[in-house]
Amino acid sequence: GQNIDQPTEMTATEGAIVQINCTYQTSGFNGLFWYQQHAGEAPTFLSYNVLDGLEEKGRFSSFLSRSKGYSYLLLKELQMKDSASYLCAVRPFTGGGNKLTFGTGTQLKVEL
Amino acid sequence: NAGVTQTPKFRVLKTGQSMTLLCAQDMNHEYMYWYRQDPGMGLRLIHYSVGEGTTAKGEVPDGYNVSRLKKQNFLLGLESAAPSQTSVYFCASSLQGEKQPQHFGDGTRLSIL
Repeated sequence: GQNIDQPTEMTATEGAIVQINCTYQTSGFNGLFWYQQHAGEAPTFLSYNVLDGLEEKGRFSSFLSRSKGYSYLLLKELQMKDSASYLCAVRPFTGGGNKLTFGTGTQLKVEL
Repeated sequence: NAGVTQTPKFRVLKTGQSMTLLCAQDMNHEYMYWYRQDPGMGLRLIHYSVGEGTTAKGEVPDGYNVSRLKKQNFLLGLESAAPSQTSVYFCASSLQGEKQPQHFGDGTRLSIL
């Protein structure tokens, strides 16, 4: 089976840094994705990791440790517009339509 | 470039009614997906397609059927709607290739009374 765990909610202050963790136990591993979803909107792609290490993209960075089944999304210089749900998704298999298994998401609230 | 377009955006049905949700993408993507999103459950895959004329079951396929007659369109059908199918439905598409992310439509909010 596939199991992906994320904290349900987090709160952070504008201008600060926040780290959202994701742990996974899946039957295979072929990449991990992070998505952002604002309330009532579609998920939008943020980052992709398949090798161990840190991928940086502007204010957002994502880290992967395959041996630990662990990833985190790091958001720097938080802005009010970063208040959203952050979804961790794992691709367990190669081929097969590139199916993803999603975690339940972490609801981030950015406060003044 | 519209991306992934879902119609309708909202719908209310009575138990036992049928309906079809339409997903259209203009990005020439090979792969298409239908998900449902429920509070506390995350996105769950209903059915998916790896190309025109092909479909396959996902994690929660019961009560749904799909068709992909044209590459750009992926239809999700509910033959006899049940209250348990009240949900937000998202369509997504992607290119082939392992690094390729899925691109999502804006969702269809469906209520079954």
